[in-house]
Amino acid sequence: GAVVSQHPSWVICKSGTSVKIECRSLDFQATTMFWYRQFPKQSLMLMATSNEGSKATYEQGVEKDKFLINHASLTLSTLTVTSAHPEDSSFYICSASDSPNEQFFGPGTRLTVL
Amino acid sequence: QQQVKQSPQSLIVQKGGISIINCAYENTAFDYFPWYQQFPGKGPALLIAIRPDVSEKKEGRFTISFNKSAKQFSLHIMDSQPGDSATYFCAASIGGGGADGLTFGKGTHLIIQP
Repeated sequence: GAVVSQHPSWVICKSGTSVKIECRSLDFQATTMFWYRQFPKQSLMLMATSNEGSKATYEQGVEKDKFLINHASLTLSTLTVTSAHPEDSSFYICSASDSPNEQFFGPGTRLTVL
Repeated sequence: QQQVKQSPQSLIVQKGGISIINCAYENTAFDYFPWYQQFPGKGPALLIAIRPDVSEKKEGRFTISFNKSAKQFSLHIMDSQPGDSATYFCAASIGGGGADGLTFGKGTHLIIQP
């Protein structure tokens, strides 16, 4: 089946630093990738949608200058949290699709900002 | 504005019983309704999905019932097992599961008692 990986699985950083999270589709080419955010015991909230080679489309209320998304190839998308602060601590989950029919989720990345 | 409302927030079912989780949506443009299972610290995994042209879909112990006129859909887990204990999310999207980001319900924490 379709496999999506994320790296790192968890990261701890100091306030003010930037953190990059990678999302890879391992056995298919992902024309579209999505980034979600999940706070503890809460639902997943869509942050942005990215298509390979195009600029990401951000959801209302998501700061595009803070959450930089790059979808440079059909198998890799990155999310960079710039100047991270404690309120950015969350579970970040990516998903990927190669057709209109289904998106496949990664295992998530736990970000803790001290 | 919460476009997908999910209930109950938590549910306890005896082993062998039927677990029922309900969702209601507002946006009539939604045309793809999946259910996801999530274990702590993991990404969500697709269980089963339905499109509005059918009223019911069954896969093993999992059944989706869909009521287009009421804008409601539900997940039934038959013969519930302790391994089914997890958080379940309903979701909805436009244009299929892979073309558009998903709007998730708030989740149901299901506990199956042995």
